Amino acid sequence: EEQLVESGGGLVKPGGSLRLSCAASGFTFSSYSMDWVRQAPGKGLEWVSSISSSTSYIFYADSLKGRFTISRDNVKNILYLQMNSLRAEDTAVYYCARTRTGYHYDAFDIWGQGTMVTVSS
Amino acid sequence: ETVLTQSPGTLSVSPGGRATLSCRASQSLSSSSLAWYQQKPGQAPRLLIYGASSRATGTPDRFSGSGSGTDFTLTISRLEPEDFAVYFCHHYGTSPRTFGQGTKVESK
Repeated sequence: EEQLVESGGGLVKPGGSLRLSCAASGFTFSSYSMDWVRQAPGKGLEWVSSISSSTSYIFYADSLKGRFTISRDNVKNILYLQMNSLRAEDTAVYYCARTRTGYHYDAFDIWGQGTMVTVSS
Repeated sequence: ETVLTQSPGTLSVSPGGRATLSCRASQSLSSSSLAWYQQKPGQAPRLLIYGASSRATGTPDRFSGSGSGTDFTLTISRLEPEDFAVYFCHHYGTSPRTFGQGTKVESK
């Protein structure tokens, strides 16, 4: 079964850091572009970042202003999101998602269950 | 950045009825790079439609997508109880990817 499982969420103080992980299984992870999408409580979906299969292309939402870093380990089949200088407005469920064909610009056909990040003092 | 505006915000439909959801883009989308997702409470989004009109694997044929350029539509022809949910459109043809704000389909 093709699956994504996020981990690493939790409660962190403003200004703190957190690293999210997304473990992939059931498919050839190294062949797919991957993305992070977040959803604040009761709100809509917000795209965060994307990384191509070979890491040649990396993009971020402008609103993040260099605070987040996406990376991947194609040997361990894990996608990461390093989040620094966290703010209250970063509070959200963070989902990792796979592009449908592996091509960088495609819809997301597999989603993880999400991991909650709460930024509060 | 391409802004997606969905309407209406909430749609009340009777079971067995028809639902028509709209997604309007602030600029023309290349290659119809528009997808639709369904999200139920406490769950991750689920891909329904990609390429504006192609059903994803497992999407029932009562769901159909149409449109091009700046105007796109998701139609649910005969609403089943499990179809009451929030629906998001998504532009993935460039970065930044963007999502509409969602349309909630509720039971009348």
